[in-house]
Amino acid sequence: NAGVMQNPRHLVRRRGQEARLRCSPMKGHSHVYWYRQLPEEGLKFMVYLQKENIIDESGMPKERFSAEFPKEGPSILRIQQVVRGDSAAYFCASSRMGGWPEQFFGPGTRLTVL
Amino acid sequence: QQQVKQSPQSLIVQKGGISIINCAYENTAFDYFPWYQQFPGKGPALLIAIRPDVSEKKEGRFTISFNKSAKQFSLHIMDSQPGDSATYFCAASTQGGSEKLVFGKGTKLTVNP
Repeated sequence: NAGVMQNPRHLVRRRGQEARLRCSPMKGHSHVYWYRQLPEEGLKFMVYLQKENIIDESGMPKERFSAEFPKEGPSILRIQQVVRGDSAAYFCASSRMGGWPEQFFGPGTRLTVL
Repeated sequence: QQQVKQSPQSLIVQKGGISIINCAYENTAFDYFPWYQQFPGKGPALLIAIRPDVSEKKEGRFTISFNKSAKQFSLHIMDSQPGDSATYFCAASTQGGSEKLVFGKGTKLTVNP
């Protein structure tokens, strides 16, 4: 009974490169959330997706960040032209469906921008 | 604007003692309040959660107390163990809409042997 899977676990990018983070939700879960955690900080909501739909992207920076959850395959959080301030841990969580509030988190991707 | 305020920032407790972490919220639309436990280098793990229609929920050594009128809730860890040493986050969300979690800033708990 696999939990939420994220890859890569660690990602190093140079300024200006693209970062692509992947998340596979738990079996039977159709909702995916992305959160960002800065050092010594709590988690901040970024985006909420269902299959082929973005439900809430109110936490996403307006530029360089995008997310998708295609009909087939994992959810992807993409950061274009990374800057040092993007260095953080990015967590994906999944839930079963609307009305089931429990969100289960993956192990995270730790992004370091050089 | 911080919607969920958590205290203390850090807490040191002796083995066998009671750990108490407090959270206060502002948005009265919140109707789901989970606590997460996070070990270094790991993702947050759901520990226990409560809805505002009950004032207390207990699971093993972990208890949530909820005060709707004061807009406060707290986590009590009874008989604290060194293995409980971790960072604890409270959170809140509103069901039926985005359901995004709003997190407190976390409490780093250290349980001394």
